Amino acid sequence: ETGVTQTPRHLVMGMTNKKSLKCEQHLGHNAMYWYKQSAKKPLELMFVYSLEERVENNSVPSRFSPECPNSSHLFLHLHTLQPEDSALYLCASSQATGTGNEKLFFGSGTQLSVL
Amino acid sequence: GQNIDQPTEMTATEGAIVQINCTYQTSGFNGLFWYQQHAGEAPTFLSYNVLDGLEEKGRFSSFLSRSKGYSYLLLKELQMKDSASYLCAVRDSNYQLIWGAGTKLIIKP
Repeated sequence: ETGVTQTPRHLVMGMTNKKSLKCEQHLGHNAMYWYKQSAKKPLELMFVYSLEERVENNSVPSRFSPECPNSSHLFLHLHTLQPEDSALYLCASSQATGTGNEKLFFGSGTQLSVL
Repeated sequence: GQNIDQPTEMTATEGAIVQINCTYQTSGFNGLFWYQQHAGEAPTFLSYNVLDGLEEKGRFSSFLSRSKGYSYLLLKELQMKDSASYLCAVRDSNYQLIWGAGTKLIIKP
């Protein structure tokens, strides 16, 4: 199995829909992340969970709602999105050590289109 | 504010050498990362530098100068499969990762 798995790979939704993105990591890591990747822009950190506790929420609109039921699974619940939310949403995991050299392992992402 | 600069796009020839530069202005420094991302795929870790100098890993090398706020990724003996985006990221004094927008590398035969 690949280290970090995301589903679905592609998602098209209307502005009134509710959908969820799923991420699962098989690496035994203790931290998980949601990133937004838009064309020609830097990765934007959305949420961080460490030991299943949310430790960061970078002023993300409330129409994005994360959930981390255990250390292996992470969800991003979406509702009443806007067209500008169309992007690639990447999940990542790491083994948090506090030493700076911890590397992220990414999933292949969900390409989201909001119509 | 914090900023990472890297070229948007570069083109190189198969078999040649290419250097992708990254300059940064951040609040403190706790290491610099390079990731490779093929179109439609996950970014994957290439290298980590925290001390000045050159780190070599096969065909890929990464250089860091902390005093200049500068790094480069050197790719030798380019292959078609090296066509990808290369992302530079710096960990700041709060251990936050600051990302560049990525450099799209196009390899031509």
